[in-house]
Amino acid sequence: AQSVTQLDSQVPVFEEAPVELRCNYSSSVSVYLFWYVQYPNQGLQLLLKYLSGSTLVKGINGFEAEFNKSQTSFHLRKPSVHISDTAEYFCAVSLWTTGNQFYFGTGTSLTVIP
Amino acid sequence: DTEVTQTPKHLVMGMTNKKSLKCEQHMGHRAMYWYKQKAKKPPELMFVYSYEKLSINESVPSRFSPECPNSSLLNLHLHALQPEDSALYLCASRNIDRGGTDTQYFGPGTRLTVL
Repeated sequence: AQSVTQLDSQVPVFEEAPVELRCNYSSSVSVYLFWYVQYPNQGLQLLLKYLSGSTLVKGINGFEAEFNKSQTSFHLRKPSVHISDTAEYFCAVSLWTTGNQFYFGTGTSLTVIP
Repeated sequence: DTEVTQTPKHLVMGMTNKKSLKCEQHMGHRAMYWYKQKAKKPPELMFVYSYEKLSINESVPSRFSPECPNSSLLNLHLHALQPEDSALYLCASRNIDRGGTDTQYFGPGTRLTVL
């Protein structure tokens, strides 16, 4: 069975400070990993994805994430956040064995404090 | 172009009404999805269409009826809904010819309120 765990439901951080949003997954097969951002009353927008190759992945808006296979983690980081980064962030996995289904984490609400 | 469009943006309906949500993509994706999302929660998968055929139905009540008339369009027909069905309904599409590697592209959603 597959599962995705986002350990922090809410993360407050001051503007221009660094932030890390944590994501761990469990799967018996190899996975592809994604981070999405959702601004209020909008759909989900892809931030970045890991398919293969370099374990450090860079995405839009200055975000990056590192795939750690031994720890089954895919944590999202940004060195300096802006007010505009306030949003809900979802980690998701897709399996090698099927192209149809995504498994989402429970989400982390990031609030950037001026 | 990675756009998925959804109409209407907002919908208010009574419990006896019949309405439809519409989703459209022109990326040539052959998988399309309906999700239901409550506030501060992840999207919950409702239906998946692969090559215009229903491949996944996550035990959704029959008052929700999906339809995929062609490879670009996905509809969700609503009838006799309950107030607890009020939520953001998201459509997504994906290029499943690339296996599990491709991204799901989401539309902006329809905010549904059932009175």
